[in-house]
Amino acid sequence: ILNVEQSPQSLHVQEGDSTNFTCSFPSSNFYALHWYRWETAKSPEALFVMTLNGDEKKKGRISATLNTKEGYSYLYIKGSQPEDSATYLCACPDGSGNTGKLIFGQGTTLQVKP
Amino acid sequence: KAGVTQTPRYLIKTRGQQVTLSCSPISGHRSVSWYQQTPGQGLQFLFEYFSETQRNKGNFPGRFSGRQFSNSRSEMNVSTLELGDSALYLCASSLPGELFFGEGSRLTVL
Repeated sequence: ILNVEQSPQSLHVQEGDSTNFTCSFPSSNFYALHWYRWETAKSPEALFVMTLNGDEKKKGRISATLNTKEGYSYLYIKGSQPEDSATYLCACPDGSGNTGKLIFGQGTTLQVKP
Repeated sequence: KAGVTQTPRYLIKTRGQQVTLSCSPISGHRSVSWYQQTPGQGLQFLFEYFSETQRNKGNFPGRFSGRQFSNSRSEMNVSTLELGDSALYLCASSLPGELFFGEGSRLTVL
């Protein structure tokens, strides 16, 4: 059974701090790694889909790296702002990557204090 | 481009009742997946429909069922509701390799 883990479970930082968190997944049979941001009372929003070892993607102040050989991905937020407060989820497809079946980690909840 | 629409957004039921939730995917998307989110379990996959056929199924009891119509709209049904079914139910429509989520239907079972 595919198991995706995230750490830490929660994080409190001050505005302007940079932060990062981790997603771990099985390195065998890797297909893709998805990152989502989920703000309270909204729908989960896709941040990145990463497929290649060594991939690095960036969206504004948020970036992510991928290491498929050791089975982890890091999400970085540079200069955190209160609007970055959300739960960040990572997920991997279970089996073929071309389906809607993703296995999610428990998420990292980020709180940015002004 | 309209996003994924779920109805109803909130509902309250009592134990033993049944509930039907609806999901309208993004136009052109043929795959619809359903997820359950509870505080202790995180997002758990329920099932996926593609072109009116169930393509994947998660590890939930048979009380949870779904279907998809020819216009790709999907419904999920939970029969004989239990207190533990209280959760946020999310629907996602997808292109290969990318999911787009709705805002969810929050079900409370009393």
